[in-house]
Amino acid sequence: AQKVTQAQTEISVVEKEDVTLDCVYETRDTTYYLFWYKQPPSGELVFLIRRNSFDEQNEISGRYSWNFQKSTSSFNFTITASQVVDSAVYFCALGPPRWGKLQFGAGTQVVVTP
Amino acid sequence: GAGVSQSPSNKVTEKGKDVELRCDPISGHTALYWYRQSLGQGLEFLIYFQGNSAPDKSGLPSDRFSAERTGGSVSTLTIQRTQQEDSAVYLCASSSTLREQFFGPGTRLTVL
Repeated sequence: AQKVTQAQTEISVVEKEDVTLDCVYETRDTTYYLFWYKQPPSGELVFLIRRNSFDEQNEISGRYSWNFQKSTSSFNFTITASQVVDSAVYFCALGPPRWGKLQFGAGTQVVVTP
Repeated sequence: GAGVSQSPSNKVTEKGKDVELRCDPISGHTALYWYRQSLGQGLEFLIYFQGNSAPDKSGLPSDRFSAERTGGSVSTLTIQRTQQEDSAVYLCASSSTLREQFFGPGTRLTVL
């Protein structure tokens, strides 16, 4: 069975602090995709990044960076120098190698205060 | 429009009534998904369509739920004899060959 665990329910930071969101997954598939989505207070899920299981290269995109470690089944996400607009629920998701359903984690609420 | 659209944005119904929720995917996307989001259950997969293949209905919670996709584009999710536990936000998503799913704004269903 597939499972995604986001152990952090809520993280509160002051603006300009860094925030790291943890994601641990379980799957029997040898090929799979991992995703991060953001859900701001408006409610719409916004796609942030996709990684396939063959690509362990970590990436930085602006203030966002991702750390994928297949050996520990983790796909962590960091926001550097957080801003109030980063306040949202962040979901980690696991998907199959072809089209199919995403298995979402429970989400982590990030609260950034000025 | 460029994104996934859903209608209505809000739906209030009485217990026992049937409801239909509509999803217009991104043009050219061959895969369409339905999820629902509720406080106690998080984001749950319901059903997905991919091209002309038989839909994956493995997430539908009961036979009161059904969905169809006409002409490989628009999809309708129907809930018959609604119950209070059906209250949730119903999310539609579509995807192309790149695998990431793009979500619509959702339909908030409230069953009184």
